[in-house]
Amino acid sequence: KAGVTQTPRYLIKTRGQQVTLSCSPISGHRSVSWYQQTPGQGLQFLFEYFSETQRNKGNFPGRFSGRQFSNSRSEMNVSTLELGDSALYLCASSLGQRNTGELFFGEGSRLTVL
Amino acid sequence: LAKITQPISMDSYEGQEVNITCSHNNIATNDYITWYQQFPSQGPRFIIQGYKTKVTNEVASLFIPADRKSSTLSLPRVSLSDTAVYYCLVGDMNAGKSTFGDGTTLTVKP
Repeated sequence: KAGVTQTPRYLIKTRGQQVTLSCSPISGHRSVSWYQQTPGQGLQFLFEYFSETQRNKGNFPGRFSGRQFSNSRSEMNVSTLELGDSALYLCASSLGQRNTGELFFGEGSRLTVL
Repeated sequence: LAKITQPISMDSYEGQEVNITCSHNNIATNDYITWYQQFPSQGPRFIIQGYKTKVTNEVASLFIPADRKSSTLSLPRVSLSDTAVYYCLVGDMNAGKSTFGDGTTLTVKP
């Protein structure tokens, strides 16, 4: 079974631009969560989608948004990029019906903001 | 949300047993405890999950005392390939309330 796929793996943007990251979950998984990982803040929860609906949201500004499609694939968008948005963005999928923490992570998209 | 504390780093030698403890003093009733392993340039990988007492799988054991304010991940007979960062995750994912610890960098030496 294929794992979680994230694209692109690496990207460089400049301040003020926007970026869209994509995540394809494991087949049959209906929940997709997004995390930001930085050396200073560690792993921080952004949001979770289940059956195309945002089910949970972390403490991030409105510049961070996401969506999930009917095939469970998910995208996240960051608008008006800031230098501090440079991070590894991780997507994780799970079955979602009783999401007690067993997450399957992708390899991440490393965003550098210049 | 539970406040999570883990040691920043640990060293061990091949063949030894390694125990990494995570403190979560204000864990909530519905919170589970999950451990992940992360190698450089990869996403975290699930190791083990528990709610109370002891859980064991083919790679690790997880010990959780009755008060659930801490948990210990036990890796038997580590090898060089176990060198990685280990994260403790505590929370109720259904409620969108979960917190990762800052991670413990385990270095296994020959």
